[in-house]
Amino acid sequence: QVQLQESGPGLVKPSQTLSLTCNVSGGSLRSGGYYWTWIRQHPGKGLEWLGYIYYTGNTYYNPSLKSRVTISVDTSKNQFSLRLSSVTAADTAVYYCARRLVNNLFDPWGQGTLVTVSS
Amino acid sequence: QSALTQPASVSGSPGQSITISCSGINSDVGSYNFVSWYQQHPGKAPKVVIYEVSKRPSGVSNRFSGSMSGNTASLTISGLQAEDEAEYFCCSNAGGSTTYWVFGGGTKLTVL
Repeated sequence: QVQLQESGPGLVKPSQTLSLTCNVSGGSLRSGGYYWTWIRQHPGKGLEWLGYIYYTGNTYYNPSLKSRVTISVDTSKNQFSLRLSSVTAADTAVYYCARRLVNNLFDPWGQGTLVTVSS
Repeated sequence: QSALTQPASVSGSPGQSITISCSGINSDVGSYNFVSWYQQHPGKAPKVVIYEVSKRPSGVSNRFSGSMSGNTASLTISGLQAEDEAEYFCCSNAGGSTTYWVFGGGTKLTVL
């Protein structure tokens, strides 16, 4: 059973780069047909799809954030990562990693990690 | 692309049925059958309850059902139980492709 776990700093200063890693266990990130995804949830608000990556390195990003988002994959560590540059307070959110399946659902999800942008 | 539109809240008594709507523009909900629904309890990660408009993942109660009419998708929960009280989000591909996804703003279900 695949499980995902986010890790990274919980506090980032404005204008800096937010960096998170998602560790995949119970399955290989190299398994075909899956897209490794980042989604965030602003406090008390809805969900926002940030983007995803295929194990080959092909990436797809939310157009509204495309200039600031980078998702990468490390198949040797069975991990994928998120970098969000030039952060502001508006980027304060719970960040989730998830797996998109071929039948177009996101499952499973990590437990989520709160990232606060503040000086 | 803006988020899909859901009612902020719905409520129902135990045993009753409720329906949550999710409306979107033509290039979102109406173009594909890739709508999914997620249940989120406070402090927990979302969990899928419906995918591809009306399919139910293994392990999800058959009290959950999904449908779509035009540009509006719906989630119906029958035989409401206290454990169903949660936030529900719809999700769809957007932009005329399967490489961009949007979520609804979420609906808080209260079981009275």
